[in-house]
Amino acid sequence: GQQLNQSPQSMFIQEGEDVSMNCTSSSIFNTWLWYKQDPGEGPVLLIALYKAGELTSNGRLTAQFGITRKDSFLNISASIPSDVGIYFCGASGTYKYIFGTGTRLKVLA
Amino acid sequence: EAQVTQNPRYLITVTGKKLTVTCSQNMNHEYMSWYRQDPGLGLRQIYYSMNVEVTDKGDVPEGYKVSRKEKRNFPLILESPSPNQTSLYFCASRTGGWQPQHFGDGTRLSIL
Repeated sequence: GQQLNQSPQSMFIQEGEDVSMNCTSSSIFNTWLWYKQDPGEGPVLLIALYKAGELTSNGRLTAQFGITRKDSFLNISASIPSDVGIYFCGASGTYKYIFGTGTRLKVLA
Repeated sequence: EAQVTQNPRYLITVTGKKLTVTCSQNMNHEYMSWYRQDPGLGLRQIYYSMNVEVTDKGDVPEGYKVSRKEKRNFPLILESPSPNQTSLYFCASRTGGWQPQHFGDGTRLSIL
């Protein structure tokens, strides 16, 4: 079935560094989403992408919908301690969403 | 405030004792879904619903039932829970097929 390959699985970075993570698939999708999940809470939407090639920013976060519609990346600039958490990508082609397994981000002060 | 509300947040129970996890959304969304989240496996869809009285299986439906009698509610039913259903469960809703999912805060189930 369809699946999303998200990488890296985890990252340890210094405060102030930039972060990059991505999701790829062999399938084509119409929507890509990026979520952040804090411990004990549900995923919270960060950025939604609806068009191939689209580049969207939300504060220090920037995400792009790949031109082939099979991938997406998320960048976080100048990381801060509260960026700690698990970041998920999600993608939809029809009625159904599938999700990556997450990137666990730890920020060292 | 727009939200998806799940109850209970935590539950420890025993094998075979029927349980229901409720989910309610106040955004008038048509689509609702249930996911389970397990380490290393990410979010996997259990069931989804595209509207009242319209439900369909996701990727891991075995051992679960759902109903959608009203637009705002989408309960998840475990008729005879087993230990392999110990997991973190999320309900989600959205307006249309390609619109973003909004998630509840999760329900942690432990089946002994």
